Amino acid sequence: EVQLVESGGGLVQPGGSLRLSCAASGFTFNNYEMNWVRQAPGKGLEWISYITTSGKTTYYADSVEGRFTLSRDNAEKSVFLQMDSLTAEDTAVYFCARGTRIVGQSYYMDLWGQGITVTVS
Amino acid sequence: DIQMTQSPSSLSASVGDRVTITCRASQGIYMFLNWYQKKPGRAPKLLMYGASILQSGVPSRFSGSGSGTDFTLTITNLQPEDFATYYCQENYDLRFTFGPGTKVDIK
Repeated sequence: EVQLVESGGGLVQPGGSLRLSCAASGFTFNNYEMNWVRQAPGKGLEWISYITTSGKTTYYADSVEGRFTLSRDNAEKSVFLQMDSLTAEDTAVYFCARGTRIVGQSYYMDLWGQGITVTVS
Repeated sequence: DIQMTQSPSSLSASVGDRVTITCRASQGIYMFLNWYQKKPGRAPKLLMYGASILQSGVPSRFSGSGSGTDFTLTITNLQPEDFATYYCQENYDLRFTFGPGTKVDIK
């Protein structure tokens, strides 16, 4: 089955750290860029991070730049979001999402995990 | 950074209605625009990419149009399963900014 499964969420104190994992199955993982998107309670979707297929390049939203680190292990078919210096504003459901690129035309997130809850309190 | 706005922020509609949601980018993004559907407790679902290309498996009652800064998502013959929040997302730059969302609920 083609799917993404997040893990590693939970309750953490302000200033603490958490590492989210996203395990892929059913597709050729190393052919796809990956992203994390979050949704805070009662709020909209917020893209937070992106990683290339090789893992050599990452991008972050301003809201998490310098605190979050995205990496991937293509052998394990997984991406990892290391979240440090967490604040209450990071409380959200976090989704990993596969990115599909049509060169010169589009980039879209066509496969999503079920989401994992992170609560900072 | 590109800013995305949507209107309306919410709307009430009935089954069978035609619904139009507008998305505007703060600068031209050609057709680098996606639409997603989000239901509570569920993962977002890609509806449309390239502003007007229907994702595989998405019903044809969904359609998209626009280019540059102004885009629309139209749902014809609204069905019960379409009550959800809809988000546009630019993919012109590497910020992949989402719009604030439009909630479609039952009148």
